[in-house]
Amino acid sequence: LAKTTQPISMDSYEGQEVNITCSHNNIATNDYITWYQQFPSQGPRFIIQGYKTKVTNEVASLFIPADRKSSTLSLPRVSLSDTAVYYCLVGDVGQPDKLIFGTGTRLQVFP
Amino acid sequence: EAQVTQNPRYLITVTGKKLTVTCSQNMNHEYMSWYRQDPGLGLRQIYYSMNVEVTDKGDVPEGYKVSRKEKRNFPLILESPSPNQTSLYFCASSRTQNRGANEKLFFGSGTQLSVL
Repeated sequence: LAKTTQPISMDSYEGQEVNITCSHNNIATNDYITWYQQFPSQGPRFIIQGYKTKVTNEVASLFIPADRKSSTLSLPRVSLSDTAVYYCLVGDVGQPDKLIFGTGTRLQVFP
Repeated sequence: EAQVTQNPRYLITVTGKKLTVTCSQNMNHEYMSWYRQDPGLGLRQIYYSMNVEVTDKGDVPEGYKVSRKEKRNFPLILESPSPNQTSLYFCASSRTQNRGANEKLFFGSGTQLSVL
């Protein structure tokens, strides 16, 4: 059963870069790695997705090493509004349609 | 507006009283799924559906039922709710069941269920 592992929490200050790493040793071969952001009492929302190497959009960057056993979400210059829980999501190696969320990383940004 | 709609937003019930939480999406998505969220446990998948009449168990299916008679609807049924099913529930959908690029999940706003 695929499982993702992330740090439980992280603290940062406004303007700093934050890197959150997710471990997914049993990722399915064809699966993509997707990151979501969740604010309290709201459903998660999509941030970024990638398969290998590096992906960048207007919100974040995603770094994936060649072995794909981990990925790192990078948030440049965070603000108070980035305070949220961040999840990485992969498919199960045996059942790729069974999507596995980790426990998430609670990011707290301070002024 | 493209969205996933869950109802009700809040629900308080008593042990053993059957209930249904509805989920509907207007994006013609094939894949739909239910999650529950509990403090310290993150999001855990209850059931998922790859298409109409196709459903499968997630990580925590015990005590729940689902059906997918129509593409847009994926109700979650608790035949005999118990207090340990008190949780925040989310429905989600995505375009297809193929785990490839751009297959991102769209989530509903959640249903906070309390079973007394």
